[in-house]
Amino acid sequence: DQQVKQNSPSLSVQEGRISILNCDYTNSMFDYFLWYKKYPAEGPTFLISISSIKDKNEDGRFTVFLNKSAKHLSLHIVPSQPGDSAVYFCAATGFQKLVFGTGTRLLVSP
Amino acid sequence: NAGVTQTPKFRVLKTGQSMTLLCAQDMNHEYMYWYRQDPGMGLRLIHYSVGEGTTAKGEVPDGYNVSRLKKQNFLLGLESAAPSQTSVYFCASRAVEGLNQPQHFGDGTRLSIL
Repeated sequence: DQQVKQNSPSLSVQEGRISILNCDYTNSMFDYFLWYKKYPAEGPTFLISISSIKDKNEDGRFTVFLNKSAKHLSLHIVPSQPGDSAVYFCAATGFQKLVFGTGTRLLVSP
Repeated sequence: NAGVTQTPKFRVLKTGQSMTLLCAQDMNHEYMYWYRQDPGMGLRLIHYSVGEGTTAKGEVPDGYNVSRLKKQNFLLGLESAAPSQTSVYFCASRAVEGLNQPQHFGDGTRLSIL
């Protein structure tokens, strides 16, 4: 039972354009959502988060949107840069634990 | 600024062998976690600890044991390794103070069971 889903395994974007990564969840008890970025041979690193009481959080080029009624969140990267090429994991928290999605591999080409 | 350190980084085992993965954090974090990452499955929680001397089961605990004898260390043990335990293992820690502190991850241990 996948509680956090990232239905797109990969995404290719040109440098300077917007990257939009999507995530859906099923458990309405989740109260906080995070995005992690992972480069090969490294551990995931925290990118940005959003509380369930908000619908948007912005940090530089990264913005996360939350639509609670649809149980959907998205990460926007504007403008995309080649260094953004990585695997992005969506995660949701509930009861001290994180539940991760399966990840989306983003490739930003020059 | 070491953060979360995992040892070893790579290991190859034969079926039935045992081993222990070590996770050490220098951030004085209360919570520590062990995950495994498999292709197409994201990160799945094996065991976690909310403080020294405590452990709890996660999503996929079977075949693993853990210990948290010291606050800074979290050990993951495989008593009798099986090929299904071939995976990349990540340790993470997080602070208690403040709501929803993010977890900090180590760089992983790549484990192959033949």
